[in-house]
Amino acid sequence: EPEVTQTPSHQVTQMGQEVILRCVPISNHLYFYWYRQILGQKVEFLVSFYNNEISEKSEIFDDQFSVERPDGSNFTLKIRSTKLEDSAMYFCASTVSYNEQFFGPGTRLTVL
Amino acid sequence: KQEVTQIPAALSVPEGENLVLNCSFTDSAIYNLQWFRQDPGKGLTSLLLIQSSQREQTSGRLNASLDKSSGRSTLYIAASQPGDSATYLCAVRPGSSASKIIFGSGTRLSIRP
Repeated sequence: EPEVTQTPSHQVTQMGQEVILRCVPISNHLYFYWYRQILGQKVEFLVSFYNNEISEKSEIFDDQFSVERPDGSNFTLKIRSTKLEDSAMYFCASTVSYNEQFFGPGTRLTVL
Repeated sequence: KQEVTQIPAALSVPEGENLVLNCSFTDSAIYNLQWFRQDPGKGLTSLLLIQSSQREQTSGRLNASLDKSSGRSTLYIAASQPGDSATYLCAVRPGSSASKIIFGSGTRLSIRP
C-alpha cells in the first residue's frame, strides 16, 4: 500500500542552524501539507501546497519557513534559523483532493 | 474560528468492552471529519473519513458518526482489544478552508487485558 515517507526520523541541530526536512508524498497525490506537534500539544497546521505554490499557511509559518517541491517527488520544509521553540514532531501529509489526508511517520526535530 | 474538543482526555477500560470516544467542533460548516490513531512517538494513521453529507462510516470494529448540525462526532470501538491502546485524534476540514484540517487534542485510550 502506498505511503508517505519522511527523512530523517530524528534531527538534532543547534539553535540558529538551518534544517531541511524531507518528505515523499504518495505518487498520485496533488496536495501536500506540513503539520507539527509540540510535545504534549495538538497537531497544528503549518502550510499547504498545490500546483507548485503555497495555497494556505498558518501564523506559525513565518519568514523562517519555506517549502519546495524540487523534483516532482520530494516535498521539503526548510527552517532557516532554528529556535528552541521549533523543537517538535513535523508531519508531512498528502491527499488526492479535498479528501482523506495521509500522514507520514514524522521527523522529530530537536533544537539545542 | 473552528475549535475541536475531545472528551475525555484519557480513558481506561477492560478488554472486550465497547466504548465511545467523543469529538465536538464549534463551527458546523465543515467539508469532512477524519479520525486518526496515534501510537506513542509515531505518526498518524487514518481510521475513518466522514464527508459532511454522511451520517456514519464503518471499518471493521470501528464506527464513526457525524451530527454536523450539533457539531458532534463519535467513534465507537466494539469489542476492544489491548492493541487498540493508542491516542485517538479527531480532525475537521473547515468549510472556510480547502486545505488544512484542525485537530482536537485527542483521547488517550488504554485497554486493560
